[in-house]
Amino acid sequence: TQLLEQSPQFLSIQEGENLTVYCNSSSVFSSLQWYRQEPGEGPVLLVTVVTGGEVKKLKRLTFQFGDARKDSSLHITAAQPGDTGLYLCAGATDTNAGKSTFGDGTTLTVKP
Amino acid sequence: KAGVTQTPRYLIKTRGQQVTLSCSPISGHRSVSWYQQTPGQGLQFLFEYFSETQRNKGNFPGRFSGRQFSNSRSEMNVSTLELGDSALYLCASRGGSTVGGETQYFGPGTRLLVL
Repeated sequence: TQLLEQSPQFLSIQEGENLTVYCNSSSVFSSLQWYRQEPGEGPVLLVTVVTGGEVKKLKRLTFQFGDARKDSSLHITAAQPGDTGLYLCAGATDTNAGKSTFGDGTTLTVKP
Repeated sequence: KAGVTQTPRYLIKTRGQQVTLSCSPISGHRSVSWYQQTPGQGLQFLFEYFSETQRNKGNFPGRFSGRQFSNSRSEMNVSTLELGDSALYLCASRGGSTVGGETQYFGPGTRLLVL
C-alpha cells in the first residue's frame, strides 16, 4: 500500500511569512500533484511534477519533486490571506495512473 | 472548455436508502475516477472507469458501485446507506493514458448527508 505523509497538518501564520509543506513517501511515484481545496469544493490543481529533481514556480509558490521521486515540497513566499485553504499532495504511478494516493492535507491559515 | 460537472451538489438521504451520483468529465476525457472525502479519512479512491470498463478499484464494500456510459459520463451508486457514508464525493477526469503524469481534474463534488 502506498502512503503519502504530509506535514504539517495545520499551519497558522501571519501575512508576509514564508512556509513550506512537505509530502513524503517510501514509494516511488511517476508523478505528483499539488492541489488547493476550499471548503465544500473540489480540489483545484496547482501543479504536476514528473521528473526527479524538478522545480516549478507558480508566482509565489515553488514546488519541488525529490530526486528519487518519493517526496515533494511546496514553498510559499510572503503568504497572503488569499492563500488560506487545504493543500493536498497526490501521487500516481504508471501502473495505476487513474488511482491517486492522497496525503492527509495541510490546512493553512494566513492571518492579515 | 467546460470543466468536470457533478450532480446533484447536495443530497440528504436516510439510512437504508440508496443514492446515485452523476459525473460528466471534461470533453474528450475518457477516464473518470471517484473519490470519497471525509474529515477522518481524507481522500480515498473508490474506482476508475475507462471506456465503460472499471480499470481500478479501491477498498470499499460492494455497496459502492459505478458505471460509465459511451459518452464517458459516469455514475456511482451507493446502496443501503449507512451514517458513515456521509461525505463529499468527488469525481476526477483524465484523458485516460496509462502512463503516469497525466493530470486529473476534479469536479466540485456532491455533498451527501445520511441521517
